[in-house]
Amino acid sequence: DAGVIQSPRHEVTEMGQEVTLRCKPISGHNSLFWYRQTMMRGLELLIYFNNNVPIDDSGMPEDRFSAKMPNASFSTLKIQPSEPRDSAVYFCASSPRQGEGYTFGSGTRLTVV
Amino acid sequence: AQSVTQPDIHITVSEGASLELRCNYSYGATPYLFWYVQSPGQGLQLLLKYFSGDTLVQGIKGFEAEFKRSQSSFNLRKPSVHWSDAAEYFCAVVANDYKLSFGAGTTVTVRA
Repeated sequence: DAGVIQSPRHEVTEMGQEVTLRCKPISGHNSLFWYRQTMMRGLELLIYFNNNVPIDDSGMPEDRFSAKMPNASFSTLKIQPSEPRDSAVYFCASSPRQGEGYTFGSGTRLTVV
Repeated sequence: AQSVTQPDIHITVSEGASLELRCNYSYGATPYLFWYVQSPGQGLQLLLKYFSGDTLVQGIKGFEAEFKRSQSSFNLRKPSVHWSDAAEYFCAVVANDYKLSFGAGTTVTVRA
């Protein structure tokens, strides 16, 4: 079991550019989550998918953020256009079913300059 | 809505000493409770979880936690800390939905 795989590990981009973060959940896990971690706000849930369907995107900060899950083994989080305040660590997590313990990826550290 | 409070922002403990991290939750029923650990630059690793049953839960790395309904608490303990236990610890709760809500975290420093 390779765990939840995120790419890239680090991303530095200029303000206004499009950024795409990628996640491969654990095989067989039906739930997928995107979290953002900052010093000021801690860990925030951005969006939750169940069986590839977005269930709750109320945590997505703005229309600049979008997430997709085209199949059970892949999800993307896109920011367009990016802004310096988007700088954070973005985590993907998956879970075999609702309410179970979540397995987190190693995160993507995004820096927007 | 459920919430999680970790009263201690930072704890310093000597290597070999015992450690207890506090966690209080706010929710009407018994939620699912978790403790995660995050080492610098790393993701979050699940230490242990409580769903039901025995209120004393054993986890990895020698950690345990005790659920106390009367105090709405789920404190994490370790009898003897190692330098490698220096990290940030997060208590988390899933209530009647799927959202994992985290406390603000407690940073543990281990001194030699």
